[in-house]
Amino acid sequence: GAGVSQSPSNKVTEKGKDVELRCDPISGHTALYWYRQSLGQGLEFLIYFQGNSAPDKSGLPSDRFSAERTGGSVSTLTIQRTQQEDSAVYLCASSFRLAQETQYFGPGTRLLVL
Amino acid sequence: QKEVEQDPGPLSVPEGAIVSLNCTYSNSAFQYFMWYRQYSRKGPELLMYTYSSGNKEDGRFTAQVDKSSKYISLFIRDSQPSDSATYLCAMRLNNAGNMLTFGGGTRLMVKP
Repeated sequence: GAGVSQSPSNKVTEKGKDVELRCDPISGHTALYWYRQSLGQGLEFLIYFQGNSAPDKSGLPSDRFSAERTGGSVSTLTIQRTQQEDSAVYLCASSFRLAQETQYFGPGTRLLVL
Repeated sequence: QKEVEQDPGPLSVPEGAIVSLNCTYSNSAFQYFMWYRQYSRKGPELLMYTYSSGNKEDGRFTAQVDKSSKYISLFIRDSQPSDSATYLCAMRLNNAGNMLTFGGGTRLMVKP
């Protein structure tokens, strides 16, 4: 079956603009996670969703970052008023259930803020 | 100091060599330990998963966890050029939250 998909693959934007990044998890997976990977850095947790529960937003770096998950499936990560330090690869992962250790990652969206 | 430390490399080895990759961590509450492999411009893929201390073997890969030393390792036997990638260790707590804490990754190059 299809894996986790993300769009766009690459995004170049100007400082101050808003961007939206999309994630389509594996069908049937109830848990969805967003991570950020900066050059030379490991993956940094941003937010996760589990079913209809309130998301854990503890990893979001600022209030310019927000995410939603509609219908328990597709998720959108929004970054408002982008800054150059937001440049990174944004990775989405999904798993069958929250306690499942196997998180399947998408290919990521490479964001460059000029 | 980062919660999980990992030498970034690059680590260059000849084909057929045994590779040792390592991570140290500071939070003794971590219970689940994973190794991910990430090829260039791809998402990470899970290689090995271990709960608490001990060893786990899968083909050419062996994962070791030493909780007393807060140290985990991944060994790759008979390394192949196709093993060239970045290897990320990850770990998480034993509670309902499932976010993973990652090391920075070690870049491995296996030369034919």
